[in-house]
Amino acid sequence: DGGITQSPKYLFRKEGQNVTLSCEQNLNHDAMYWYRQDPGQGLRLIYYSQIVNDFQKGDIAEGYSVSREKKESFPLTVTSAQKNPTAFYLCASSDTRLAPRSSYNEQFFGPGTRLTVL
Amino acid sequence: GQNIDQPTEMTATEGAIVQINCTYQTSGFNGLFWYQQHAGEAPTFLSYNVLDGLEEKGRFSSFLSRSKGYSYLLLKELQMKDSASYLCAVRSGAGNNRKLIWGLGTSLAVNP
Repeated sequence: DGGITQSPKYLFRKEGQNVTLSCEQNLNHDAMYWYRQDPGQGLRLIYYSQIVNDFQKGDIAEGYSVSREKKESFPLTVTSAQKNPTAFYLCASSDTRLAPRSSYNEQFFGPGTRLTVL
Repeated sequence: GQNIDQPTEMTATEGAIVQINCTYQTSGFNGLFWYQQHAGEAPTFLSYNVLDGLEEKGRFSSFLSRSKGYSYLLLKELQMKDSASYLCAVRSGAGNNRKLIWGLGTSLAVNP
Protein backbone atom coordinates (compact mmCIF):
# COMPACT_ATOMS: atom_id res chain seq x y z
CA ASP A 1 0.00 0.00 0.00
CA GLY A 2 1.30 3.47 -0.88
CA GLY A 3 1.42 6.11 1.79
CA ILE A 4 3.42 8.29 4.15
CA THR A 5 4.79 7.05 7.42
CA GLN A 6 6.01 9.06 10.36
CA SER A 7 7.62 7.58 13.38
CA PRO A 8 7.31 7.53 16.26
CA LYS A 9 3.72 8.60 16.99
CA TYR A 10 4.69 10.00 20.41
CA LEU A 11 8.15 11.27 21.33
CA PHE A 12 9.49 12.64 24.59
CA ARG A 13 12.77 14.48 24.92
CA LYS A 14 14.57 16.48 27.54
CA GLU A 15 15.09 20.18 27.02
CA GLY A 16 18.37 20.94 25.23
CA GLN A 17 18.46 17.72 23.21
CA ASN A 18 18.21 17.61 19.43
CA VAL A 19 15.66 15.17 18.05
CA THR A 20 15.04 13.90 14.51
CA LEU A 21 11.56 13.04 13.25
CA SER A 22 11.34 10.66 10.35
CA CYS A 23 9.09 10.91 7.31
CA GLU A 24 9.05 8.33 4.52
CA GLN A 25 6.76 8.11 1.47
CA ASN A 26 6.40 5.49 -1.25
CA LEU A 27 4.03 7.50 -3.43
CA ASN A 28 6.82 8.57 -5.80
CA HIS A 29 6.06 12.21 -4.97
CA ASP A 30 8.66 14.86 -5.71
CA ALA A 31 7.47 17.39 -3.13
CA MET A 32 7.55 16.96 0.64
CA TYR A 33 6.58 19.30 3.46
CA TRP A 34 6.89 19.66 7.22
CA TYR A 35 4.23 21.43 9.26
CA ARG A 36 3.81 22.20 12.89
CA GLN A 37 0.35 22.39 14.48
CA ASP A 38 -0.36 23.97 17.86
CA PRO A 39 -3.84 24.22 19.40
CA GLY A 40 -5.79 27.01 17.71
CA GLN A 41 -2.94 27.90 15.36
CA GLY A 42 -3.64 25.85 12.26
CA LEU A 43 -0.84 24.40 10.11
CA ARG A 44 2.40 26.36 9.93
CA LEU A 45 4.98 25.48 7.30
CA ILE A 46 8.48 24.71 8.60
CA TYR A 47 10.39 23.52 5.52
CA TYR A 48 9.50 22.17 2.11
CA SER A 49 11.28 20.45 -0.75
CA GLN A 50 10.17 20.23 -4.36
CA ILE A 51 13.04 18.02 -5.51
CA VAL A 52 15.85 15.89 -4.13
CA ASN A 53 18.84 17.81 -2.71
CA ASP A 54 16.88 21.07 -2.58
CA PHE A 55 14.66 22.58 0.11
CA GLN A 56 13.28 25.96 1.14
CA LYS A 57 12.48 27.56 4.48
CA GLY A 58 8.84 27.94 5.36
CA ASP A 59 7.31 30.48 7.70
CA ILE A 60 8.81 29.15 10.96
CA ALA A 61 12.14 27.51 10.03
CA GLU A 62 14.19 28.89 12.94
CA GLY A 63 15.40 26.11 15.23
CA TYR A 64 14.75 23.37 12.68
CA SER A 65 16.83 21.68 9.98
CA VAL A 66 16.04 19.21 7.20
CA SER A 67 17.75 17.14 4.53
CA ARG A 68 16.48 15.63 1.29
CA GLU A 69 19.08 13.12 0.15
CA LYS A 70 16.52 10.64 -1.17
CA LYS A 71 13.19 11.18 -2.89
CA GLU A 72 11.41 8.98 -0.35
CA SER A 73 12.74 10.58 2.82
CA PHE A 74 12.57 14.05 4.40
CA PRO A 75 13.72 13.94 8.04
CA LEU A 76 13.23 16.95 10.31
CA THR A 77 15.62 17.77 13.15
CA VAL A 78 14.28 19.85 16.02
CA THR A 79 17.33 21.52 17.53
CA SER A 80 17.88 22.91 21.00
CA ALA A 81 17.59 26.39 19.44
CA GLN A 82 13.84 25.89 18.93
CA LYS A 83 12.29 27.73 21.88
CA ASN A 84 8.93 25.96 22.04
CA PRO A 85 9.35 22.55 20.41
CA THR A 86 6.37 20.80 22.03
CA ALA A 87 3.82 20.42 19.21
CA PHE A 88 2.16 18.06 16.74
CA TYR A 89 4.40 17.64 13.67
CA LEU A 90 2.90 16.66 10.32
CA CYS A 91 4.73 15.56 7.20
CA ALA A 92 3.06 15.70 3.77
CA SER A 93 3.93 14.96 0.16
CA SER A 94 2.45 15.79 -3.22
CA ASP A 95 3.00 15.13 -6.88
CA THR A 96 4.32 18.08 -8.87
CA ARG A 97 3.70 16.87 -12.39
CA LEU A 98 0.95 18.49 -14.46
CA ALA A 99 -2.18 16.93 -13.06
CA PRO A 100 -4.81 15.16 -15.13
CA ARG A 101 -8.41 16.08 -14.34
CA SER A 102 -8.72 13.27 -11.79
CA SER A 103 -5.75 14.41 -9.73
CA TYR A 104 -5.20 17.76 -8.10
CA ASN A 105 -1.65 17.40 -6.80
CA GLU A 106 -3.17 17.50 -3.34
CA GLN A 107 -0.99 17.00 -0.30
CA PHE A 108 -1.18 13.63 1.45
CA PHE A 109 -0.36 13.63 5.14
CA GLY A 110 1.38 11.18 7.41
CA PRO A 111 -0.20 10.30 10.79
CA GLY A 112 1.92 12.88 12.64
CA THR A 113 4.37 12.82 15.54
CA ARG A 114 3.44 14.40 18.84
CA LEU A 115 6.65 15.75 20.38
CA THR A 116 6.79 16.68 24.04
CA VAL A 117 9.89 18.34 25.45
CA LEU A 118 10.17 18.00 29.21
CA GLY B 1 0.33 39.92 2.71
CA GLN B 2 -1.32 36.53 2.49
CA ASN B 3 -4.44 35.86 4.50
CA ILE B 4 -7.12 33.21 4.72
CA ASP B 5 -10.17 33.72 6.95
CA GLN B 6 -12.62 31.11 8.22
CA PRO B 7 -15.04 31.15 11.15
CA THR B 8 -13.46 29.62 14.24
CA GLU B 9 -16.38 27.47 15.34
CA MET B 10 -19.77 26.34 14.06
CA THR B 11 -22.48 24.06 15.42
CA ALA B 12 -25.18 22.21 13.52
CA THR B 13 -27.73 19.46 14.03
CA GLU B 14 -27.53 15.91 12.73
CA GLY B 15 -29.31 15.63 9.37
CA ALA B 16 -29.06 19.36 8.63
CA ILE B 17 -26.98 21.30 6.09
CA VAL B 18 -24.06 23.54 7.04
CA GLN B 19 -22.00 25.98 4.97
CA ILE B 20 -18.44 26.85 5.99
CA ASN B 21 -17.07 30.00 4.37
CA CYS B 22 -13.50 30.88 3.46
CA THR B 23 -12.20 34.19 2.14
CA TYR B 24 -8.64 34.62 0.91
CA GLN B 25 -6.14 37.25 -0.13
CA THR B 26 -2.98 35.71 -1.58
CA SER B 27 -0.22 36.92 -3.88
CA GLY B 28 -1.00 34.15 -6.37
CA PHE B 29 -3.73 31.58 -6.90
CA ASN B 30 -3.42 28.09 -8.28
CA GLY B 31 -6.33 26.29 -6.67
CA LEU B 32 -8.19 26.04 -3.37
CA PHE B 33 -8.40 22.93 -1.21
CA TRP B 34 -10.65 21.82 1.62
CA TYR B 35 -9.40 19.28 4.15
CA GLN B 36 -11.07 17.57 7.09
CA GLN B 37 -9.16 16.96 10.30
CA HIS B 38 -10.46 14.93 13.24
CA ALA B 39 -8.94 15.68 16.64
CA GLY B 40 -5.46 14.21 17.01
CA GLU B 41 -5.35 12.97 13.43
CA ALA B 42 -3.84 14.14 10.15
CA PRO B 43 -5.85 16.23 7.65
CA THR B 44 -7.52 14.34 4.81
CA PHE B 45 -8.33 15.82 1.41
CA LEU B 46 -12.00 16.65 0.72
CA SER B 47 -12.22 18.84 -2.38
CA TYR B 48 -10.44 21.07 -4.87
CA ASN B 49 -11.56 24.08 -6.90
CA VAL B 50 -9.52 25.98 -9.47
CA LEU B 51 -12.29 27.31 -11.72
CA ASP B 52 -15.34 29.29 -10.60
CA GLY B 53 -18.36 27.24 -9.72
CA LEU B 54 -19.56 24.31 -7.69
CA GLU B 55 -17.86 20.92 -7.37
CA GLU B 56 -20.07 18.19 -5.92
CA LYS B 57 -18.80 15.02 -4.29
CA GLY B 58 -21.49 13.01 -2.52
CA ARG B 59 -22.62 14.84 0.65
CA PHE B 60 -19.87 17.43 0.24
CA SER B 61 -19.79 20.32 -2.24
CA SER B 62 -17.35 23.18 -2.63
CA PHE B 63 -17.82 26.50 -4.39
CA LEU B 64 -15.30 29.03 -5.65
CA SER B 65 -15.49 32.63 -6.82
CA ARG B 66 -12.01 33.82 -7.81
CA SER B 67 -13.11 37.41 -8.42
CA LYS B 68 -14.44 37.63 -4.86
CA GLY B 69 -11.66 35.59 -3.25
CA TYR B 70 -14.34 33.39 -1.72
CA SER B 71 -15.10 29.72 -1.27
CA TYR B 72 -17.50 27.66 0.75
CA LEU B 73 -17.78 24.03 1.76
CA LEU B 74 -21.32 22.67 1.96
CA LEU B 75 -22.02 19.58 4.02
CA LYS B 76 -25.43 17.94 3.59
CA GLU B 77 -27.24 15.31 5.68
CA LEU B 78 -24.87 15.90 8.56
CA GLN B 79 -23.72 12.91 10.56
CA MET B 80 -22.11 12.81 13.99
CA LYS B 81 -18.84 11.68 12.40
CA ASP B 82 -18.69 15.00 10.52
CA SER B 83 -17.70 16.69 13.80
CA ALA B 84 -14.16 17.79 12.93
CA SER B 85 -12.08 20.79 11.92
CA TYR B 86 -12.37 21.92 8.27
CA LEU B 87 -9.30 23.58 6.79
CA CYS B 88 -9.28 25.88 3.76
CA ALA B 89 -5.96 26.17 1.89
CA VAL B 90 -4.89 28.13 -1.20
CA ARG B 91 -2.06 26.96 -3.43
CA SER B 92 0.20 29.79 -4.52
CA GLY B 93 3.68 30.27 -5.89
CA ALA B 94 5.36 28.53 -8.81
CA GLY B 95 8.19 26.12 -9.42
CA ASN B 96 10.21 25.44 -6.28
CA ASN B 97 8.20 28.00 -4.31
CA ARG B 98 4.85 26.27 -4.78
CA LYS B 99 3.12 25.77 -1.43
CA LEU B 100 -0.20 25.89 0.41
CA ILE B 101 -1.35 28.83 2.50
CA TRP B 102 -3.60 27.49 5.28
CA GLY B 103 -6.50 28.97 7.16
CA LEU B 104 -6.77 28.31 10.89
CA GLY B 105 -9.66 25.90 10.40
CA THR B 106 -13.33 25.84 11.39
CA SER B 107 -14.26 23.50 14.22
CA LEU B 108 -17.68 21.98 13.47
CA ALA B 109 -19.71 20.33 16.21
CA VAL B 110 -22.64 18.20 15.06
CA ASN B 111 -25.26 17.70 17.78
CA PRO B 112 -27.89 14.96 17.89
